[in-house]
Amino acid sequence: AQKVTQAQTEISVVEKEDVTLDCVYETRDTTYYLFWYKQPPSGELVFLIRRNSFDEQNEISGRYSWNFQKSTSSFNFTITASQVVDSAVYFCALILQGAQKLVFGQGTRLTINP
Amino acid sequence: DAEITQSPRHKITETGRQVTLACHQTWNHNNMFWYRQDLGHGLRLIHYSYGVQDTNKGEVSDGYSVSRSNTEDLPLTLESAASSQTSVYFCASSEGGPDGETQYFGPGTRLLVL
Repeated sequence: AQKVTQAQTEISVVEKEDVTLDCVYETRDTTYYLFWYKQPPSGELVFLIRRNSFDEQNEISGRYSWNFQKSTSSFNFTITASQVVDSAVYFCALILQGAQKLVFGQGTRLTINP
Repeated sequence: DAEITQSPRHKITETGRQVTLACHQTWNHNNMFWYRQDLGHGLRLIHYSYGVQDTNKGEVSDGYSVSRSNTEDLPLTLESAASSQTSVYFCASSEGGPDGETQYFGPGTRLLVL
């Protein structure tokens, strides 16, 4: 069975600090897709990134970057120079090729203090 | 712009009543999903549909039903609401296909069953 673990339940940092959110996944399949979603205090789920299992290139989008390492089954998310608006719950998720069910981690609540 | 909407955004009902939550997407996506989000359980899949007239049970389908009569809509019905169904409900949609397409989420419906 597939599983996604976000061991950090809550993280609190001061604005402008860098912060990394950890995501570890389990699957025996060789083809799968990993996602990160953001859930701000307003409650909606916002898609951030999708990565397939064959693409281990790191991704950078502005202050956001993602580090995918198959060797450690991890897909970590780093926010550089954090801002108060980054405060949210962040979810990592996994889906297998041919499946439609997203398997979510429990989420990490990130608080950025001014 | 394409979008996915849910209504109502908030609902209070009584135990035993039938409740229907609406989900409408203008992405023209084949796949639609219903999740519930609860503290301590993350997001759990209730029902999903791969297209018109197709419906499938997710991991927590007891007490819920869906029907898909067109591409745009997947209403979720609670046949006889129970207090255990107090939750936040999210609808999502994605393109059809095997390659882990991104699911885009609606804004959510907060349901309170008294």
